[in-house]
Amino acid sequence: DSGVTQTPKHLITATGQRVTLRCSPRSGDLSVYWYQQSLDQGLQFLIQYYNGEERAKGNILERFSAQQFPDLHSELNLSSLELGDSALYFCASSVGPERSEAFFGQGTRLTVV
Amino acid sequence: AQSVTQPDIHITVSEGASLELRCNYSYGATPYLFWYVQSPGQGLQLLLKYFSGDTLVQGIKGFEAEFKRSQSSFNLRKPSVHWSDAAEYFCAVGVFGNEKLTFGTGTRLTIIP
Repeated sequence: DSGVTQTPKHLITATGQRVTLRCSPRSGDLSVYWYQQSLDQGLQFLIQYYNGEERAKGNILERFSAQQFPDLHSELNLSSLELGDSALYFCASSVGPERSEAFFGQGTRLTVV
Repeated sequence: AQSVTQPDIHITVSEGASLELRCNYSYGATPYLFWYVQSPGQGLQLLLKYFSGDTLVQGIKGFEAEFKRSQSSFNLRKPSVHWSDAAEYFCAVGVFGNEKLTFGTGTRLTIIP
């Protein structure tokens, strides 16, 4: 158990809908990262927050947004969902903004039908 | 452009045999490197990391990896594999000051009795 909690584990939704994925980082970790894992794209970095502020942005679509709350949990919002958004979404957390290893949650499997 | 290559998509080894998984990177700056393992339906677990110093690093579960700057490689090794090592292995690379970890496409390891 990495200490990173993601909910829900599985999500099935229809195209055009909006979903929210939730992540609770390890106790004491200030950084949260979101990654998308799909068969065709592999593991792609989406976005990082550090202590409530956006710190780095990767290949995140405009339809996707994220935030980190004062209690350090994070949410990834996916809207106007398309079939191609079906993937495993991972959250990871680390102590600091740099040079620290990231611990991954078990992921949320999103299926868009 | 920064890239990480894991040239072997799938490797099969016999239980008790030695293992080497290859990872090559292309980065302009000094990288830091990780190996993660992902079991089916699970998140990514950190096996080992290299930031600086001794180029041979020891990880969990009996794994080790060697950073070779001249070859831009960070290969993962284990002297004797166990059936429980069957999983997918990912090499990841980052650069100091840039929080985006770039992952390789993964190597699936199958263990035969």
